[in-house]
Amino acid sequence: GAVVSQHPSWVICKSGTSVKIECRSLDFQATTMFWYRQFPKQSLMLMATSNEGSKATYEQGVEKDKFLINHASLTLSTLTVTSAHPEDSSFYICSAIGPGHNGNQPQHFGDGTRLSIL
Amino acid sequence: GQNIDQPTEMTATEGAIVQINCTYQTSGFNGLFWYQQHAGEAPTFLSYNVLDGLEEKGRFSSFLSRSKGYSYLLLKELQMKDSASYLCAPMDSNYQLIWGAGTKLIIKP
Repeated sequence: GAVVSQHPSWVICKSGTSVKIECRSLDFQATTMFWYRQFPKQSLMLMATSNEGSKATYEQGVEKDKFLINHASLTLSTLTVTSAHPEDSSFYICSAIGPGHNGNQPQHFGDGTRLSIL
Repeated sequence: GQNIDQPTEMTATEGAIVQINCTYQTSGFNGLFWYQQHAGEAPTFLSYNVLDGLEEKGRFSSFLSRSKGYSYLLLKELQMKDSASYLCAPMDSNYQLIWGAGTKLIIKP
């Protein structure tokens, strides 16, 4: 149980392109989803937390107009990187937790999306 | 501030036992998670401790001492597939996970 699917797994595109990444919880309802970015050999960096039906909460330094997050249903959240540039190239990972969050539920991660901007 | 301290890298032999230590400082505490992350992949959940003591789960065990801000992950009967990074992630008072760079574990035959 607790499977999170992330798509696509790999994206290569030209600078200036917008890229949408989908995160789906397949066998549970994800009231909260998290979006992370990870550069090689570095720790996971939380970008934003999204709750179903409400606006995402962005971490300090993350541009909300550049990284658009939509959590329209209990099983789907999307991250759109708008007008991507080479410095946006990174490994983007989503995670999700189910309802009744009381702190002891682990975050279940998608497989990640490797984004390369040329 | 909030921080995590883990060794950057450890090496162990196949079939042996290894202990990965983690000390942490957080604003409040709501438990501590251990995750495994293979190179180029997303993390996978290993264990959760919220009370002091040892939690055993197969070949993996995790220990917590809240008063010392200390945890360890114990891996027994090491296999080559255990080569990965191990991430210690305490949860602060806002239920947010604090992530460090993890410990890269190298298993040699």
